Amino acid sequence: DTGVSQDPRHKITKRGQNVTFRCDPISEHNRLYWYRQTLGQGPEFLTYFQNEAQLEKSRLLSDRFSAERPKGSFSTLEIQRTEQGDSAMYLCASSQYSLRDSSYEQYFGPGTRLTVT
Amino acid sequence: AQSVTQLDSHVSVSEGTPVLLRCNYSSSYSPSLFWYVQHPNKGLQLLLKYTSAATLVKGINGFEAEFKKSETSFHLTKPSAHMSDAAEYFCVVRNNFNKFYFGSGTKLNVKP
Repeated sequence: DTGVSQDPRHKITKRGQNVTFRCDPISEHNRLYWYRQTLGQGPEFLTYFQNEAQLEKSRLLSDRFSAERPKGSFSTLEIQRTEQGDSAMYLCASSQYSLRDSSYEQYFGPGTRLTVT
Repeated sequence: AQSVTQLDSHVSVSEGTPVLLRCNYSSSYSPSLFWYVQHPNKGLQLLLKYTSAATLVKGINGFEAEFKKSETSFHLTKPSAHMSDAAEYFCVVRNNFNKFYFGSGTKLNVKP
């Protein structure tokens, strides 16, 4: 298992363009999370999926943001009509319930750094 | 509601001296608490977690944290800092719906 992977690692785009990021979770993990991290801040929750169902979306996620996980495996996060304020690191994490200690742990990918010019 | 406060945005220690990174939390329920580390250009890595078992939790790389309910604290410690410990550390609380709330982070600098 190679862990959580994200693609691309870096994206530079012009304001108004659409961008799409991909996350591949750890294969047996049924939960997948998206976070946004801006400079000097901790990650902020955006949305999460259990299998293919999107169970929660943050108020941070405006109508320009959409996420999918069509087959319950990889996920995509799309930002339409990007704005400079969207510049941030977008992190993906996956998790699975652990019977050993009755808890979830989240395993994070390396992130996609978005710069909107 | 859940939230996490990391009291220091930057901590600087000399190599070989103890590390203390402070974290206070608020939670409506019995919390699960975590510490993650983020090295430059690398993903977040789990250091340790508290999930209502032992209040003193040992993690990787010699780190440990103690859950103190009366003080609503979960401070991270290490007896002797190493240069490789220089990174940013995040305290995290998880609510009963498995939503994670991150603190704003503490950057640890280790001086030779």
